[in-house]
Amino acid sequence: GIQVEQSPPDLILQEGANSTLRCNFSDSVNNLQWFHQNPWGQLINLFYIPSGTKQNGRLSATTVATERYSLLYISSSQTTDSGVYFCAGLNFGNEKLTFGTGTRLTIIP
Amino acid sequence: DGGITQSPKYLFRKEGQNVTLSCEQNLNHDAMYWYRQDPGQGLRLIYYSQIVNDFQKGDIAEGYSVSREKKESFPLTVTSAQKNPTAFYLCASSIETSNTGELFFGEGSRLTVL
Repeated sequence: GIQVEQSPPDLILQEGANSTLRCNFSDSVNNLQWFHQNPWGQLINLFYIPSGTKQNGRLSATTVATERYSLLYISSSQTTDSGVYFCAGLNFGNEKLTFGTGTRLTIIP
Repeated sequence: DGGITQSPKYLFRKEGQNVTLSCEQNLNHDAMYWYRQDPGQGLRLIYYSQIVNDFQKGDIAEGYSVSREKKESFPLTVTSAQKNPTAFYLCASSIETSNTGELFFGEGSRLTVL
């Protein structure tokens, strides 16, 4: 399977700031997803984005498959954005999504 | 509403006991998965099933067992053979059996061994 690395591991920002979270993977992927784990532990789907760019409100994501990375942008952060953000990828010929270890985002009022 | 239901949300167990975690989905998804999450860690795959009456071991299957008798249900049994069972367990499903589809998660079950 592939290796998935996320950076930074921790990020503390003031409310209203913008942030960029990065996910690097060791091989080409045909499945790439971003999730937000809320304080109660539930994983919320943010984006299914094996390539290209998508936007949903204050969040957007870009995956550059040829360069093996994906970025998650959060604009005008709110305290409810706090939590852990995971990316997960799957490459051709593999059957299992591999998760990164996450970025813990803390938004301070 | 369609979704994935896990129960119980919290479970305490004595050492040496088997416990079964329930996962039910009404999304008509073919594929279902069980993941384990330890504090500060990512998710690790325990078992997955792409079709009824068939399932495959994931990366950390030792000490666990599953069944897939119905499309909607994929229960996980944590056996006494699992050395460190205290963890957060997440069930997921996907419409795609080729693993290229989007994964959706339940709310999780937190197991504590006393």
